[in-house]
Amino acid sequence: DTGVSQDPRHKITKRGQNVTFRCDPISEHNRLYWYRQTLGQGPEFLTYFQNEAQLEKSRLLSDRFSAERPKGSFSTLEIQRTEQGDSAMYLCASSPPLHTGELFFGEGSRLTVL
Amino acid sequence: GENVEQHPSTLSVQEGDSAVIKCTYSDSASNYFPWYKQELGKGPQLIIDIRSNVGEKKDQRIAVTLNKTAKHFSLHITETQPEDSAVYFCAASPEPNTGNQFYFGTGTSLTVIP
Repeated sequence: DTGVSQDPRHKITKRGQNVTFRCDPISEHNRLYWYRQTLGQGPEFLTYFQNEAQLEKSRLLSDRFSAERPKGSFSTLEIQRTEQGDSAMYLCASSPPLHTGELFFGEGSRLTVL
Repeated sequence: GENVEQHPSTLSVQEGDSAVIKCTYSDSASNYFPWYKQELGKGPQLIIDIRSNVGEKKDQRIAVTLNKTAKHFSLHITETQPEDSAVYFCAASPEPNTGNQFYFGTGTSLTVIP
């Protein structure tokens, strides 16, 4: 399968712990997005990379959140000192250089903070 | 920023009937309007999109209409089938080619009753 891959699919952690999610985009897709989705809501934009450069960040992205894409391929999203309000599905999406508008989403990483 | 509202939040139709989902947006700079389908446990998948220079677009049983003056757009599914059951999200974006963020609606849970 050559779709967007996210790992882990599920993560349960205790409040105050750090968690890291990984996203492997479709190869040759230079654009990578992170979204957060809570129950009954649409995806909310968190951040966007073009190659290794983080070009846009949402105001939703507090300083406890950090995202990287060191070599312009895979990306990581780290949440430090997790809070119960961080419980959500974290979706990664990618799109190719000739961007028609379509986002190719992974299946998401579900975070539960106890 | 952009605000996308979506109605209804839930919709049940008999197999073979039509389903209509409506969205409004606030930012007149938005000019790209995709619709995504999300099945349980999966990421959203693009099913159809429309740009502001077009009033209507059709792909087999799915059509989207756009009224840019009124700032609303709709998804029409005809001859619904049980496999159409899913959550549908509308979205708006000012210019996807620049990688700008997409603003999603809150979703419509469609159930097609056999």
